[in-house]
Parts: sequence; C-alpha cells; structure tokens
Amino acid sequence: GAGVSQSPSNKVTEKGKDVELRCDPISGHTALYWYRQSLGQGLEFLIYFQGNSAPDKSGLPSDRFSAERTGGSVSTLTIQRTQQEDSAVYLCASSLGGPGSDTQYFGPGTRLTVL
Amino acid sequence: SQQGEEDPQALSIQEGENATMNCSYKTSINNLQWYRQNSGRGLVHLILIRSNEREKHSGRLRVTLDTSKKSSSLLITASRAADTASYFCATHQAGTALIFGKGTTLSVSS
Repeated sequence: GAGVSQSPSNKVTEKGKDVELRCDPISGHTALYWYRQSLGQGLEFLIYFQGNSAPDKSGLPSDRFSAERTGGSVSTLTIQRTQQEDSAVYLCASSLGGPGSDTQYFGPGTRLTVL
Repeated sequence: SQQGEEDPQALSIQEGENATMNCSYKTSINNLQWYRQNSGRGLVHLILIRSNEREKHSGRLRVTLDTSKKSSSLLITASRAADTASYFCATHQAGTALIFGKGTTLSVSS
C-alpha cells in the first residue's frame, strides 16, 4: 500500500515568507508526527497528533511554527516569517497506535531552504 | 533535549566485517528502537526492543539492551556496501514522543 507522502519535496523561500508543508499519512494510522533534521544532526521532535486528542506541541521551537491535522488524516506544518535557521529537512511519520507502541513510518521529507 | 546518544559518530569498515553501534540514554524507558536513514531522507524502522527484553534478532541485526547501564547496541553482521547509512536509536518514555539520538554514520566499502 501507499506509504507516507510529503509535499513539496524541496522548497526554497526567502527570509520572512510563510511556508506550508504537507503530509499524507498512511491510511488508518491514528498518530502523526513532525520532526526536523538539520544537516548532519539527529531528528528534533516538533509535534504529534494522536486521534482526536489535543496535539503534543512541546517540541515546536517558536510560535512561528504551527500544525494542523484535518479530519484525522492530512497534516500541514506552517512556518511563518521564515528565518535562515529554519532551513532543514522536515520529516513526517505516522503510526497505527501511539508513540513508542508501534513502528513509525516516515515520509521522504521536505527539504526547506530559507535564503 | 537529547535522550539517546550514539557512539561512535562515524564508523568505516570493509564488506564482510561486523559493525557495532552503541546508544546510551539518560532516563528509564518503555522501549528503544533503531532506525536507518539513507541519504538524509526518510527513516526506516529496523527493530524495537522493550525494556523487559535483553536481546532481539532480525536477520543480520542483533540488538541488546542493558537497562542497568541505560545502553543498547546494534550489531550488523557480515556487512554489505548496501548497509551504508546513518543509524539512529530512539527511546520511548510513557506519554512522550520518541526521542532520537544524533546517529552513527556507517560506511561499508567493498
């Protein structure tokens, strides 16, 4: 079946502009996660959604970052007034159950470059 | 904050050799997972070991967990050039998302 998909695969933007990154999880997966990976670094947790529960936003680095998950499926990560330090690969993952209890399946990521 | 720390940061071996990567963490966990990443893109889940398990095998992979030392190791036997990738450990504590380490970059040359 189809895996996790993300769009766009690459995004180049100018400092100060807003960007939206999209994630389509695997159908039926209740949990969805966003991570950020800077060059040569590990994954930095940003936010996760679990079913209809309030999302865990504890990893969002600033109030410029927000995310939505509509209808328990597609999610959008929005970065407002982008800064150069926002440049990274943004990875989305989904799992059947909650974090830790099930394998997380990752999308290919969106490489964001802020000029 | 970083929970898992992999060691070494980089490892270069010849095909056919074994590769061992270690992961240390700071607080008690429910389980620990290992992931693989090629070319800086999506991660692939390799294996999950629960806190009450000491060793698990999957094909050429062997994972151990020592909760008293708060450490885990990933052994890849008879390595192949295709095993070249970055390997991350991720720890799970109750009620939290997975926390990933910075990874070990493995290079296998033929």
